[in-house]
Amino acid sequence: GAVVSQHPSWVICKSGTSVKIECRSLDFQATTMFWYRQFPKQSLMLMATSNEGSKATYEQGVEKDKFLINHASLTLSTLTVTSAHPEDSSFYICSAPASGGTTLHFGNGTRLTVT
Amino acid sequence: AQSVTQLGSHVSVSEGALVLLRCNYSSSVPPYLFWYVQYPNKGLQLLLKYTSAATLVKGINGFEAEFKKSETSFHLTKPSAHMSDAAEYFCAVSGSTGANSKLTFGKGITLSVRP
Repeated sequence: GAVVSQHPSWVICKSGTSVKIECRSLDFQATTMFWYRQFPKQSLMLMATSNEGSKATYEQGVEKDKFLINHASLTLSTLTVTSAHPEDSSFYICSAPASGGTTLHFGNGTRLTVT
Repeated sequence: AQSVTQLGSHVSVSEGALVLLRCNYSSSVPPYLFWYVQYPNKGLQLLLKYTSAATLVKGINGFEAEFKKSETSFHLTKPSAHMSDAAEYFCAVSGSTGANSKLTFGKGITLSVRP
């Protein structure tokens, strides 16, 4: 079945550095990718929607210059957390609908810890 | 606009007992409703979805949910809990079934299963 591969699964970085998270759609083309953020014991909050070949759409309150999203191909979307700070520590999850399908396929998430 | 309310944050049942996880929704348009399960440090897996067809929806792993418009509810049930059901469960709502539609998630419920 359709799979979204997300890497890395966890990352620790120092404050002020940037971190890139990749999500790849395997065996299907993802024209759209949703990026979520999840705090401990809380729900998923949609951060942005990326579309292949165009600019991402950010949800209200999400800093687009801090969370850079690139969707350069039909199988790859990336989220870069720039100048990370401890408050950016969170669990980031991507998801994509398979072409023609109505179901979202989720990556396994990335645990980001900023020290 | 859509929203989901999952009352309580934790449900504990004995193995073999009935599982009941509650979800109430609010939607300005006919809703499409989903239940997802999340295991620790993993992405989300779709359990089942309601898309305006049958009001009783059967999903994977023996789970089912019933859409009740009069009660604006979509509670998740399983007749007999198994230890492997211990996880986080999220109810979500969308305004359409299109795969590119945004999902609004509830805050989630942690299910514990006692031996």
